[in-house]
Amino acid sequence: DAKTTQPNSMESNEEEPVHLPCNHSTISGTDYIHWYRQLPSQGPEYVIHGLTSNVNNRMASLAIAEDRKSSTLILHRATLRDAAVYYCILRGQGAQKLVFGQGTRLTINP
Amino acid sequence: SAVISQKPSRDICQRGTSLTIQCQVDSQVTMMFWYRQQPGQSLTLIATANQGSEATYESGFVIDKFPISRPNLTFSTLTVSNMSPEDSSIYLCSVFRGLDYGYTFGSGTRLTVV
Repeated sequence: DAKTTQPNSMESNEEEPVHLPCNHSTISGTDYIHWYRQLPSQGPEYVIHGLTSNVNNRMASLAIAEDRKSSTLILHRATLRDAAVYYCILRGQGAQKLVFGQGTRLTINP
Repeated sequence: SAVISQKPSRDICQRGTSLTIQCQVDSQVTMMFWYRQQPGQSLTLIATANQGSEATYESGFVIDKFPISRPNLTFSTLTVSNMSPEDSSIYLCSVFRGLDYGYTFGSGTRLTVV
């Protein structure tokens, strides 16, 4: 499984945008970029995924670099409920399993 | 997306005993996944459970320690056998619901071995 690198922790303020970076320099052409988050005392939940183009959904946006070696998860207006560990994961096109790295622990200040 | 019911939500067990964790999904799925999350750590995949065949275990995990059953397309169990304090972790099950919904996870079983 291709490896991703994320900062161990980040901090932001409520109602401000948050940009969570992820490096995946060994990504292959068929790897999807997935983001999950784990709120305290809960299982992980799906946030967003993409292949080449930037993606938007109701939770977040995903900006993918042109060379696909990095990506950024964007929370447009952070709330206290967004405090969680965010995982950036590469999943091959034919792969069935999800392999987690260490993730970024996001703290939101009121 | 899928609703996963995982039981028990937590348990405290004596060393040397076994605990069976149940995972029920509200719709049929081909594969179910079992993870372990040790305190303060990320998730580690234990095994993939297919209905009608033996589970596929990841490196470092063996069937004798973590036997898995998958009797139908909506249910699976993971047993943690001959427990020691090092088995104290959160155990989670997960299913894949398609690219639009990704993977759904149960809320986990918090196991403490004393």
